[in-house]
Formats: sequence, C-alpha cells, structure tokens
Amino acid sequence: QLQMQESGPGLVKPSETLSLTCTVSGGSISSNIYSWGWIRQSPGKGLAWIGTLYHSGITYSSPSLESRVAISVDTSKNHLSLRLSSVTAADTGVYYCARPRGPQQMDPFGYWGQGILVTVSS
Amino acid sequence: QSALTQPPSASGSPGQSVTISCTGTTSDIGGYNYVSWYQQHPGKAPKLIIYEVIERSSGVPGRFSGSKSGNTASLTVSGLQAEDEADYYCSSYAGNYNVVFGGGTKLTVL
Repeated sequence: QLQMQESGPGLVKPSETLSLTCTVSGGSISSNIYSWGWIRQSPGKGLAWIGTLYHSGITYSSPSLESRVAISVDTSKNHLSLRLSSVTAADTGVYYCARPRGPQQMDPFGYWGQGILVTVSS
Repeated sequence: QSALTQPPSASGSPGQSVTISCTGTTSDIGGYNYVSWYQQHPGKAPKLIIYEVIERSSGVPGRFSGSKSGNTASLTVSGLQAEDEADYYCSSYAGNYNVVFGGGTKLTVL
C-alpha cells in the first residue's frame, strides 16, 4: 500500500524559500509510469493544485505559481521535494504531496500524504 | 485558471439525499469527462471518492454518485449517514496538464 508523508519546517520567513520533502513508501518514486504532485490548502479555504512532476522529468505548475515552484525527486531516498520561492503570508497553509490514481495526465490524485502545516511569518 | 464554483454549505437529515453542484467552464468541466470528487474529514487528507465523473473509487459506498451536464458536475449522496458529514471538493482536468479544484462544500448531517 502506497504511503506518503510530508516533512519540513513549519515556519518560514517572508521572502524566503519554502522547502518540503515527501517520503514515499510502499512504491518506487522512480517508476516511469506515475507522476507526483503537490497540493495546498490555505486556512479555512479550498484545495489548490501547485504542480505535478511527470516521469518525463517535466513539471507542470499552476499558472499563478509556476514562476516560483520547483518540484524534484531523489530516487536514492524515494523522496519528492517542493521548493516555493519568495513566499508571503498568502503561502501559509497545509501542503500535501500526492500521486494520481493512474498514469494519465488527467488522472486525479488517489494517494495523499497526511499534510504539513507551513506558516509564513517573521 | 479560476477555481470551480461550489456552494459553501449543504445539509440533509439522515436517510435523505443531498446534491452538491460544481460549476466550471468549457475549458475544464465542460471540455472533459475528468471530473473528480474528494471527501475531507476535519484534520484529515482528502480522499478520492469519484473520478471520471461517475466512477466510484474502490470501497466507496454506492450511496455516492456523480454526474455532469454541460459545465456543471454534481455529487449526490443518498441515504445520508452521520459519517458523511465532511467537506467535499470537486476537481477537473483543465487541459495542458492543468488541474483545478472547487472551493469546497461543507456537508452537515442534521
């Protein structure tokens, strides 16, 4: 059974870079079938897609975030990473890593981590 | 791209049926049969319950069903049970590898 768990600092200062890691177990992140993504949820608000890294190595991100987002994998550690630069208070929220239920670009996220709360504040 | 539009709240008594709508555009819901629905209980991660408009994820009760007409998708929960009280989010493929979510609907079982 695929499991995912996010980790990283819970507090980031404005203008700095938010860096999170997602540890994947029960499956290989180096699979050339599945993509891996990040979604966030601002306090009291809805879900927002951040971006998805495909097995081709290409990342597709939300147009509103793409200039600040970098998603990568470390196959040796079975880790997925997210870097979001120049953060502001609007980037505060719970960040989830997730994997689609299938290999197609239109497949929804069927596997989710438990989420990690990140607060942007000085 | 804009978020999909959902009503902020919905409610029903045990045993009743409730339908939650999700309105998009021809660029997302109206353009693809790739609408999904997630259930989220407080403090928990979202759980995929419906995908490709009408397909139920494994283990999801038959009380949950999805549909779509034009630019609007709907989630119907029949025979409401106490454990159905949760937030529900719709999502749609929006072309060019993009994904869009709705703002969420809080379902209360009276």
